[in-house]
This record gives sequence, C-alpha cells and structure tokens, in this order.
Amino acid sequence: KNEVEQSPQNLTAQEGEFITINCSYSVGISALHWLQQHPGGGIVSLFMLSSGKKKHGRLIATINIQEKHSSLHITASHPRDSAVYICAVRDNYGQNFVFGPGTRLSVLP
Amino acid sequence: ETGVTQTPRHLVMGMTNKKSLKCEQHLGHNAMYWYKQSAKKPLELMFVYSLEERVENNSVPSRFSPECPNSSHLFLHLHTLQPEDSALYLCASSQEGPNSGSGELFFGEGSRLTVL
Repeated sequence: KNEVEQSPQNLTAQEGEFITINCSYSVGISALHWLQQHPGGGIVSLFMLSSGKKKHGRLIATINIQEKHSSLHITASHPRDSAVYICAVRDNYGQNFVFGPGTRLSVLP
Repeated sequence: ETGVTQTPRHLVMGMTNKKSLKCEQHLGHNAMYWYKQSAKKPLELMFVYSLEERVENNSVPSRFSPECPNSSHLFLHLHTLQPEDSALYLCASSQEGPNSGSGELFFGEGSRLTVL
C-alpha cells in the first residue's frame, strides 16, 4: 500500500521567508502532484512532476525518484500563500491518486 | 467559465432527507471522480468514472449513489445519511489514456455537506 507523508503538518512563517514543505512516499510512482487548497475548499494543481525540478513564479518543486521524496519551496512568501499544500502521487499500476495529509501554511504580514 | 463546477456549494440536510450533489466539467475530460474530505484526514476517493462507466467504488456505503449520465456530468445522490458523513465533497476530472496528456486532476470548489 502506498503511503504519502508530509512534513511539517503546520507551518507559520513571516512574510518574505523561504519555505520548504516535504513529501515522501513508499512505492514507485508515475507522477507526483503538488496541490494548493485555500480556506474556501477549492483545490488548484500547482505542479506535476515525474523527475527533476519545475519552477513557476515564486514556487519551485523538486523530486528525487531514488529517495522517493519531493519538496515544494516558496521564495519570498506572502500572506496570500496561506493555504493547505497537498502532495499526491499516482502509482505505476493504477489510475488513482493517493493523497498526503496536507501541510497548513500561514504566512503572517 | 471555470473548468469544474459543483453545486450546491453548501448543503444542510436531515438524516431522512434525499438530496443530490452535481458536478459539471467543461474541459472535455474522459474521467470524473468524487472525493470526500473530512476534517484532519487526507482526501479519500469515493468513486471513479471513466468513459461514463464506473471503474472503482472504494467501499463506499450504499447511502451514497453516484450517477454519470454523460462525460460532462456527475452526480452524487445522498439518502439517509449519518452525521459522520458531514464533510467537504470534491469533484475532479482528468483526461486519461496513452495519447491524452498529463492525467492532471482538475478540482471543483467542493460541496460542504452538514448532516443534522
């Protein structure tokens, strides 16, 4: 069974700080996704990764397939980055996703 | 127009009521999903429809009944629910297949359900 873990569970930062959220998983995967969920409930896909590194604005996502680990970095954090960040993986065999428990980020002004 | 639209956004119902949640996707995707998100728990898959056929029922109680009349619409019919069914219900869609793209999930805004 594929388990997805995230750390930290909760994170409070000051505006401008560099933030890292980590994700680890236990089986081989075809892709890993980073999702953002705002307080209203809707979920937005930030990145889909199968190797290496991707950058979009102030967000950077990396993945190490051998170590079964991914990180999401936020540079120059802003209060509007406050949300729950969810890591999700799709394994090599199924159509379905397995989701991590999420990391709740609060960025204070 | 947003890619995946869910209605209603909020629903309060008694345990004897019958209600339905609706999801519509405007992305031309061939797979649709219902997920349940309870407080402090990861997203849980409930149902998957691929090409309008149900491919997975993740041991969901029969008081939840899905319906997928076409590739753009997905319903979740609710009857005789329990208070512990109170949660955020999220619909998602994706395009699946060997030549169809990323398989990325696109979510709706969710329907927050409270069962009294």
